[in-house]
Amino acid sequence: NAGVTQTPKFRVLKTGQSMTLLCAQDMNHEYMYWYRQDPGMGLRLIHYSVGEGTTAKGEVPDGYNVSRLKKQNFLLGLESAAPSQTSVYFCASTPAQGDNSPLHFGNGTRLTVT
Amino acid sequence: AQSVTQLGSHVSVSEGALVLLRCNYSSSVPPYLFWYVQYPNQGLQLLLKYTTGATLVKGINGFEAEFKKSETSFHLTKPSAHMSDAAEYFCAVSSYGGATNKLIFGTGTLLAVQP
Repeated sequence: NAGVTQTPKFRVLKTGQSMTLLCAQDMNHEYMYWYRQDPGMGLRLIHYSVGEGTTAKGEVPDGYNVSRLKKQNFLLGLESAAPSQTSVYFCASTPAQGDNSPLHFGNGTRLTVT
Repeated sequence: AQSVTQLGSHVSVSEGALVLLRCNYSSSVPPYLFWYVQYPNQGLQLLLKYTTGATLVKGINGFEAEFKKSETSFHLTKPSAHMSDAAEYFCAVSSYGGATNKLIFGTGTLLAVQP
């Protein structure tokens, strides 16, 4: 079982460029999430999805868009990258709503915006 | 509103020594509490969780944590540190009956284990 797979693992962008980060999970989980991790700030939720075709804003959604066209995939888009979006991005999934469900994380995408 | 405070961004212990990582939370409703561990260049993985019931929770790799409502704390301990415990540890809180999208993470504690 691959679990949660994120691509790419690393990326360098110039300011103003766009890109899409892909998250795929093979566990048939309903909920998927995008977090960013910055030094000294822990993980902050960007957007999440409670099922195919649904998305919602998290704590820090500005500058990002997401789509969940298929249950197993959750895409995070940056339309016009800014240096402030330099971060490590993590995708996670859970089977269903409920605080007993642990998050299953991917290994992250390290993004640098110059 | 909920929040988590992890005291000490860096903790260093000797191999074989007690590990104590501190976490205090704030929540207006009964909390669910979690500890996650992150090894270098990897995602986070669940160490243990407290939802209801027994306040002393045992997790993987010999770690345990105790929920103390009176102290609003959920400190993580391990009696004897191993070199493989070197990682970053995150405490997290969510509310009873809430959704995982309300999970609030602390800022993390980097544990170093000296030989």
